[in-house]
Amino acid sequence: SYVLTQPPSVSVAPGQTATITCGGNNIGSKSVHWNQQRPGQAPVLVVYDDTKRPSGIPERFSASNSGNTATLTISRVEAGDEADYYCQVWDDIVHSVVFGGGTKLTVL
Amino acid sequence: QVQVVQSGAEVKKPGSSVKVSCKVSGGIFSGYVINWVRQAPGQGLEWMGGIIPMFGTPKYAQKFQGTITITADESSSTAYMEVSTLRVEDTAVYYCGRGGVDYSDEFDFWGQGTLVSVSS
Repeated sequence: SYVLTQPPSVSVAPGQTATITCGGNNIGSKSVHWNQQRPGQAPVLVVYDDTKRPSGIPERFSASNSGNTATLTISRVEAGDEADYYCQVWDDIVHSVVFGGGTKLTVL
Repeated sequence: QVQVVQSGAEVKKPGSSVKVSCKVSGGIFSGYVINWVRQAPGQGLEWMGGIIPMFGTPKYAQKFQGTITITADESSSTAYMEVSTLRVEDTAVYYCGRGGVDYSDEFDFWGQGTLVSVSS
């Protein structure tokens, strides 16, 4: 089945830029969604269809997807961005939603 | 505004079953995928399966085939996920998420989660 690989953790100082990657075989041919999960809370969609932001999500959140890597970029990081971030795709071979293992973003 | 509300926490014995509900209000229910996701303590998100209520035929992840049953009631805009023969390892928070018209779509709204604790 399709595997998505994320770094377990990323640390960044407030005001800096955080970059979270999601690796998968030819992931650029798939539609990637990103979910944010703050501690003790349910996930929230922050990016869908590779680059689109739902209403209410700050412009500081952006994303791209090409080749074997999708990337979520958070600019001007704030303390409130501290959370686990999960990438998500559809595996059309086994017909299943696949999540990456998640990346814990720590704001120093 | 769309709201997704799940049933409350459950404490169960091994070998018993549990049925978690997920009610969608303020938006489309019947034509969109309702997905179920499991999150074991300290672990990541794991897709269990989903259903498009207007079609009624669920789709299951291979791992959960035969161990869970997903249903939906259009009249009450509520989806259900039942785990039969619970094991201690089924202790987790179970989330439902409303998808789109296709299983490849994003989950635009999530429920608050239902903690199911399995212990003897």
